[in-house]
Amino acid sequence: LAKTTQPISMDSYEGQEVNITCSHNNIATNDYITWYQQFPSQGPRFIIQGYKTKVTNEVASLFIPADRKSSTLSLPRVSLSDTAVYYCLVGGRATGTASKLTFGTGTRLQVTL
Amino acid sequence: DAGVIQSPRHEVTEMGQEVTLRCKPISGHDYLFWYRQTMMRGLELLIYFNNNVPIDDSGMPEDRFSAKMPNASFSTLKIQPSEPRDSAVYFCASFSGPNTEAFFGQGTRLTVV
Repeated sequence: LAKTTQPISMDSYEGQEVNITCSHNNIATNDYITWYQQFPSQGPRFIIQGYKTKVTNEVASLFIPADRKSSTLSLPRVSLSDTAVYYCLVGGRATGTASKLTFGTGTRLQVTL
Repeated sequence: DAGVIQSPRHEVTEMGQEVTLRCKPISGHDYLFWYRQTMMRGLELLIYFNNNVPIDDSGMPEDRFSAKMPNASFSTLKIQPSEPRDSAVYFCASFSGPNTEAFFGQGTRLTVV
């Protein structure tokens, strides 16, 4: 499994853009990068997934540089309700690692007024 | 679909008792996962199934833990005998295949006294 490294925690004010970077230096050629969000007392929820360059949906954007050794989850104009733990996962069908959904420690984002 | 359904939501039991947690995955999902989450250890993958067959149970902490999936719509995680250190939130999740979105249940909060 490709090991991922994320900051333990981040703080932000409401209305700011938040960027959370995940390092995955040994990502395999066919691995995808997936981000999940977890609120207190709930199970994780899928946010976004990408393979290269940029992916955007109604919730977030995911930026992946050409070497794919890192990725950045971007949350535009965060609100208090975005306070949660964000997990970065890396895995692929070819290596079989995408089946084993393994979560790291995640990044605890605290948004305040 | 009602999503992944877990029962019970809360369970309080005495040390030494048998505990059975239940999960109904989303219809059509071929993969089912059991996780345990604590403050100290984070979100740990215990075991996962593909087409009702256990694929990787390396995360199961010890022989007191067992999991079954008798059919595509039902799985159980059993702890016998339970111990106070088993107190945690247990999540069940399912997805249709690697690199697809995983859906989590609401979790079962287990307290062993």
